[in-house]
Amino acid sequence: GEDVEQSLFLSVREGDSSVINCTYTDSSSTYLYWYKQEPGAGLQLLTYIFSNMDMKQDQRLTVLLNKKDKHLSLRIADTQTGDSAIYFCAERREYGNKLVFGAGTILRVKS
Amino acid sequence: EAGVAQSPRYKIIEKRQSVAFWCNPISGHATLYWYQQILGQGPKLLIQFQNNGVVDDSQLPKDRFSAERLKGVDSTLKIQPAKLEDSAVYLCASSPTTRTYEQYFGPGTRLTVT
Repeated sequence: GEDVEQSLFLSVREGDSSVINCTYTDSSSTYLYWYKQEPGAGLQLLTYIFSNMDMKQDQRLTVLLNKKDKHLSLRIADTQTGDSAIYFCAERREYGNKLVFGAGTILRVKS
Repeated sequence: EAGVAQSPRYKIIEKRQSVAFWCNPISGHATLYWYQQILGQGPKLLIQFQNNGVVDDSQLPKDRFSAERLKGVDSTLKIQPAKLEDSAVYLCASSPTTRTYEQYFGPGTRLTVT
């Protein structure tokens, strides 16, 4: 299909790991992204991965990319209440810099 | 460095009225984007500028939406006349010239059309 798909909601306890999954559509996409959006705010670029990589780690964040299945995941270690937000997956289509976003996953962290 | 600036932050208008949004990208960023984010959805690209030229406006409803970036820096997005379905957050983003794969977003303008 044409859509980037994400699960709608994830609830975790503070201190646990969170894993947010995404399925993208274009096998020729060059970059895959994770953005974070807090209430009333714009999108914050969390991390991105180039399509020739299968893993990228940045402090508490780990991104895994499975190109064969067009599957992207974001793992947040030691999840904190400040991580509560909406997380958007996006793919950069081959033509230009156009980013295509999923509908977002709401992460709720319970203390 | 300062982030992407947008104004106003909120706007309420009646249908058939006109509205304009302003964006100032991060200094030195040649590429500028306008996105529309409807409640419960991800952002959707409306138009992309490279300096003052349009790169992609395939998703811009040109019968009512227009955008310009006359001097290759600030940009305005206009809706005339507005419809109820235009209620959304309008996000501006910019990319650095040497790393066009990075896009940085402003806080957005929340438009409510009544």
